[in-house]
Amino acid sequence: DAGVTQSPTHLIKTRGQQVTLRCSPISGHKSVSWYQQVLGQGPQFIFQYYEKEERGRGNFPDRFSARQFPNYSSELNVNALLLGDSALYLCASSLAPRGSEKLFFGSGTQLSVL
Amino acid sequence: QQQVKQSPQSLIVQKGGISIINCAYENTAFDYFPWYQQFPGKGPALLIAIRPDVSEKKEGRFTISFNKSAKQFSLHIMDSQPGDSATYFCAASIGTSGSRLTFGEGTQLTVNP
Repeated sequence: DAGVTQSPTHLIKTRGQQVTLRCSPISGHKSVSWYQQVLGQGPQFIFQYYEKEERGRGNFPDRFSARQFPNYSSELNVNALLLGDSALYLCASSLAPRGSEKLFFGSGTQLSVL
Repeated sequence: QQQVKQSPQSLIVQKGGISIINCAYENTAFDYFPWYQQFPGKGPALLIAIRPDVSEKKEGRFTISFNKSAKQFSLHIMDSQPGDSATYFCAASIGTSGSRLTFGEGTQLTVNP
């Protein structure tokens, strides 16, 4: 069975550019969450989507946006990139959008902003 | 704001020893406390989780101890093995609400052979 897949695995951008990261959840999982993991720190919650609706948003600026498609895959968009956006972006899927649900994480997209 | 504080930042243990990682939380609404294990180049993977209605949960060599009054919980890895070398994160969430996990800053565990 395929786990959570993310693409691309690595990405290099320059300041001011825009980036789109993609995530395919485990088959049957309808909830997708995005986390940002800065080197040496724990993941920080960005967004959660369930059934194509935003169910939660972390403390991130409006430059960050996301959406979920009818097949439950998701995209995370970041506009006007800053150096501080350099991080590992993790996507996680779960059966339901409950805090006690087991989250399955992908291996992430490593974004470097130069 | 740091709602889950984790210590130590790094830990070196000999093979066969006990690894202990501690976490403290602030938000009393948290009612679900998982531990995640992350290997280099991989995403975090759920190891074990506990709810505050029990004081201890054991799964194989991994045990969570929970102290609700102190708002603290810890992970014990018995008979630590080199394959356990990884970064461990404690986390907390409100179980009935959305799956928003608040993670600690992580502990890099090295188990020497």
